[in-house]
Amino acid sequence: NAGVTQTPKFQVLKTGQSMTLQCAQDMNHNSMYWYRQDPGMGLRLIYYSASEGTTDKGEVPNGYNVSRLNKREFSLRLESAAPSQTSVYFCASSPSGGNPDFGPGTRLTVL
Amino acid sequence: AQRVTQPEKLLSVFKGAPVELKCNYSYSGSPELFWYVQYSRQRLQLLLRHISRESIKGFTADLNKGETSFHLKKPFAQEEDSAMYYCALWGGADGLTFGKGTHLIIQP
Repeated sequence: NAGVTQTPKFQVLKTGQSMTLQCAQDMNHNSMYWYRQDPGMGLRLIYYSASEGTTDKGEVPNGYNVSRLNKREFSLRLESAAPSQTSVYFCASSPSGGNPDFGPGTRLTVL
Repeated sequence: AQRVTQPEKLLSVFKGAPVELKCNYSYSGSPELFWYVQYSRQRLQLLLRHISRESIKGFTADLNKGETSFHLKKPFAQEEDSAMYYCALWGGADGLTFGKGTHLIIQP
């Protein structure tokens, strides 16, 4: 099993550009999550999907949208990137809640 | 609302010294608590969970409901323990809440 995979690993955007971060898991997990990690702030939940077809806002959803395309995939979209969205983004998944498995992260810089 | 507090942003100890990373939580129900570790530029990995009461890489953590704490301890620090450590609380429908993390540096 590959576990949780994320693409791309690195990305540089200009302010106002859009992009989608991809996440996939092959563990047949029901729940998937998007976190951002910032120095001194720990990990903060952006959005989560408790099951296929459902998504809910987390602690810091503004400026982001998500799509639970199917059970395996959960994408995060930035419609108009801002410098404040410079961060490391982690996707995670879990069977049905409980401690998740994390992806390797996407390091995003917005200039 | 559930909350996890890690009071130390940075903890520096010498190799061979004991380590204690503090974690306090606020939660109205029965918590499920975890410690995650992140080595330099790697993904987060689960270190241990309170329900399993296990020791991983020499680390242990005991849930103290009276003090609402879940401190991470190791009697003798090793240089490879240098990493970011996150305490996390699973609150059911409220999901997993992380503390802000403690950067542990083990000096030779």
